[in-house]
Amino acid sequence: DSGVTQTPKHLITATGQRVTLRCSPRSGDLSVYWYQQSLDQGLQFLIQYYNGEERAKGNILERFSAQQFPDLHSELNLSSLELGDSALYFCASSVEGGYNEQFFGPGTRLTVL
Amino acid sequence: AQSVTQLDSQVPVFEEAPVELRCNYSSSVSVYLFWYVQYPNQGLQLLLKYLSGSTLVKGINGFEAEFNKSQTSFHLRKPSVHISDTAEYFCAVTPLGGYNKLIFGAGTRLAVHP
Repeated sequence: DSGVTQTPKHLITATGQRVTLRCSPRSGDLSVYWYQQSLDQGLQFLIQYYNGEERAKGNILERFSAQQFPDLHSELNLSSLELGDSALYFCASSVEGGYNEQFFGPGTRLTVL
Repeated sequence: AQSVTQLDSQVPVFEEAPVELRCNYSSSVSVYLFWYVQYPNQGLQLLLKYLSGSTLVKGINGFEAEFNKSQTSFHLRKPSVHISDTAEYFCAVTPLGGYNKLIFGAGTRLAVHP
């Protein structure tokens, strides 16, 4: 158990819908990262937050957005869902800036029908 | 920009045999290097990392990796594998000063057979 929790574990929805994925980082970790794992794109970095502020952006679609709240949990919002958004979405957390080990949650599996 | 190439998508091996999983990277700046393991239906777990210093890095579960700057490689090795090592292995890099975002290879599926 990494100490990072993600809810829900599984999510099945229809095209065009909007969903919210939630992540609680390890106690004391200020940075949260979101990654997408799909069969065709592999593991891709989406976005990073540090203590409530966006720090880095990767291959995140405009239909996707994220935020980190004052209690440091983070939410990833996916809207206007398409079949290709079906993937495993991981959250990771680390202590702070510089290089620190990222601890990964168990992921949320999103299926878009 | 950085990229990571894992040269083998699948590696079958018998129990107690040695194994090497190959990883090459491309980057115009210095990077930190990592190997992560993903067991079925689980998140990723860090096996080992190279930040600086000795190019031979030892990790958990008996794994080690060697950083070769001239060949831009970071191959993962284990002298004797167990059935429990069956998993997906990911090589990753993060550029120095790159806010710690990880760039992953496509993964290598290690299948250990009895």
